Amino acid sequence: NAGVTQTPKFRILKIGQSMTLQCTQDMNHNYMYWYRQDPGMGLKLIYYSVGAGITDKGEVPNGYNVSRSTTEDFPLRLELAAPSQTSVYFCASSYRGPTYEQYFGPGTRLTVT
Amino acid sequence: AQRVTQPEKLLSVFKGAPVELKCNYSYSGSPELFWYVQYSRQRLQLLLRHISRESIKGFTADLNKGETSFHLKKPFAQEEDSAMYYCALFRVNTDKLIFGTGTRLQVFP
Repeated sequence: NAGVTQTPKFRILKIGQSMTLQCTQDMNHNYMYWYRQDPGMGLKLIYYSVGAGITDKGEVPNGYNVSRSTTEDFPLRLELAAPSQTSVYFCASSYRGPTYEQYFGPGTRLTVT
Repeated sequence: AQRVTQPEKLLSVFKGAPVELKCNYSYSGSPELFWYVQYSRQRLQLLLRHISRESIKGFTADLNKGETSFHLKKPFAQEEDSAMYYCALFRVNTDKLIFGTGTRLQVFP
């Protein structure tokens, strides 16, 4: 089992560019999450999904979009990158809801300049 | 508003000393609380949850509803305990965990 994989590991974007952060899990988990972590701060939930075809907003969804067409994949889309989106992004999954253990990916470090 | 506070950014102790990582929460309902840990170059992972009342790697955490705290304790710290520790609160009737800002534990030999 690879667990939760994220690509890319690092990325530098110019303001206004777009990109997709990829997340895949091979544990057949129903729930998937996207978090961002700014320096010195805790993780903040961007979007989450309770199953294929179902997504919902977290605490900080503005500037992002997600889709969940399969159980395995949960990509995060940044449409018009802004410096405020400079952060480390973590994808996670859990068998059921957040009270079940969340398995995290290694993170993507994104810089927008 | 629901909130998790970890007042210490950094906690440094010597090997063999007791450790207490503080976590306070504000929540009007019945909380479910967790500790997650991230060791150097490893992924964030669950350490323990209060409903399990378990001891993991010698760590325990007791929910104190009167003081709204969920401090993580270990009687004798080991060098391999050095890591970033995050307290997290589950909001009932939502699908969301709220994370604290984390405490870095450094255990010196």
